[in-house]
Amino acid sequence: EPEVTQTPSHQVTQMGQEVILRCVPISNHLYFYWYRQILGQKVEFLVSFYNNEISEKSEIFDDQFSVERPDGSNFTLKIRSTKLEDSAMYFCASYLAVGKPQHFGDGTRLSIL
Amino acid sequence: DAKTTQPTSMDCAEGRAANLPCNHSTISGNEYVYWYRQIHSQGPQYIIHGLKNNETNEMASLIITEDRKSSTLILPHATLRDTAVYYCIVRVSYNTDKLIFGTGTRLQVFP
Repeated sequence: EPEVTQTPSHQVTQMGQEVILRCVPISNHLYFYWYRQILGQKVEFLVSFYNNEISEKSEIFDDQFSVERPDGSNFTLKIRSTKLEDSAMYFCASYLAVGKPQHFGDGTRLSIL
Repeated sequence: DAKTTQPTSMDCAEGRAANLPCNHSTISGNEYVYWYRQIHSQGPQYIIHGLKNNETNEMASLIITEDRKSSTLILPHATLRDTAVYYCIVRVSYNTDKLIFGTGTRLQVFP
């Protein structure tokens, strides 16, 4: 069964450094999402992306965050200048069409030192 | 999106049916009920969704009450690998909206 894949599984970065989290959504999917989960807390929505543009973003998704779909297969989340509070699991999700379920990757654990 | 209420935790013996309730009394006519689960710190896994009819797939059954104000996810023969946090989420079917996760029900399957 097709899967959403995320790399790396664990990323350790110094505070203030830039980090790029990568996702390969399921190949024919059209809608893409990033969520995050701080340890012990709920899964929180960050941003949705459709037709090569952001369709919605949360308050968390400030100017330090950006998303890109640089080619037909990858979907990336960039954090320009990481803070300690950016430490979390970051999940990518995709789905085919409205009314269909979202499918999630297994996440990237981001640790900011 | 309508809010959902789920018990914080439940236990189930291995091999028995696990029945996970969800209350969504403010659900609108165009909102579907979705169930996901999260095993340890893995990504949320889609289980099943429905509008008003009962649904069944290879993982689970979803029973929605006639007034649609509550539903039950049934895992017919729970295994230790079903130990996870289960989330009930209501979502407008035609919307590209995000999923809003609550705290879910932590299901512990014991031998």
